[in-house]
Amino acid sequence: DAGITQSPRYKITETGRQVTLMCHQTWSHSYMFWYRQDLGHGLRLIYYSAAADITDKGEVPDGYVVSRSKTENFPLTLESATRSQTSVYFCASSEGTSSYEQYFGPGTRLTVT
Amino acid sequence: GQSLEQPSEVTAVEGAIVQINCTYQTSGFYGLSWYQQHDGGAPTFLSYNALDGLEETGRFSSFLSRSDSYGYLLLQELQMKDSASYFCAVREGSGSARQLTFGSGTQLTVLP
Repeated sequence: DAGITQSPRYKITETGRQVTLMCHQTWSHSYMFWYRQDLGHGLRLIYYSAAADITDKGEVPDGYVVSRSKTENFPLTLESATRSQTSVYFCASSEGTSSYEQYFGPGTRLTVT
Repeated sequence: GQSLEQPSEVTAVEGAIVQINCTYQTSGFYGLSWYQQHDGGAPTFLSYNALDGLEETGRFSSFLSRSDSYGYLLLQELQMKDSASYFCAVREGSGSARQLTFGSGTQLTVLP
């Protein structure tokens, strides 16, 4: 089915481990985004990408790495996970001229122990 | 920088009308979006205002006053399924820097 998917949906990892969250969209949207959602903070932008091979930092990029070699994929890597990175992570995409309307994936609930 | 303020909680009864306000401060404003998120779910887009005035989409309406840096989401004929969190989000930037900055969300509880 067309849409935006994330994997895994749930992940438990240990402090210091590297973990990669996957995001895949089938609309060929140019823009893709990674957010984290914590109680009391709403959605905070980690990184975004305007097109393949173009990425930029958002509000809270520290400790995260992204890449976008293909338009449809936008993986997020936590290089050395910390407990403060326990959160729900949402990937989103939008067409270039309508970034105000973003389509969100189902989210990945990450717990760092 | 930018900041958005919206109430943390609102309660209303089924069939009523509720207004969720959002005030913002931003250096480069292009528009105000509203999103709905049910518990355990993903945010979904509701509406967008780039210009002053009211935008109506079914039972939901959204209003923007750029001069007052203020907007609101109006939900009419409330239904139980409208119980959710509602986020306002400021669209800012231009060129390749098209971002949304979200408020902390308003938890709407609809009572029978």
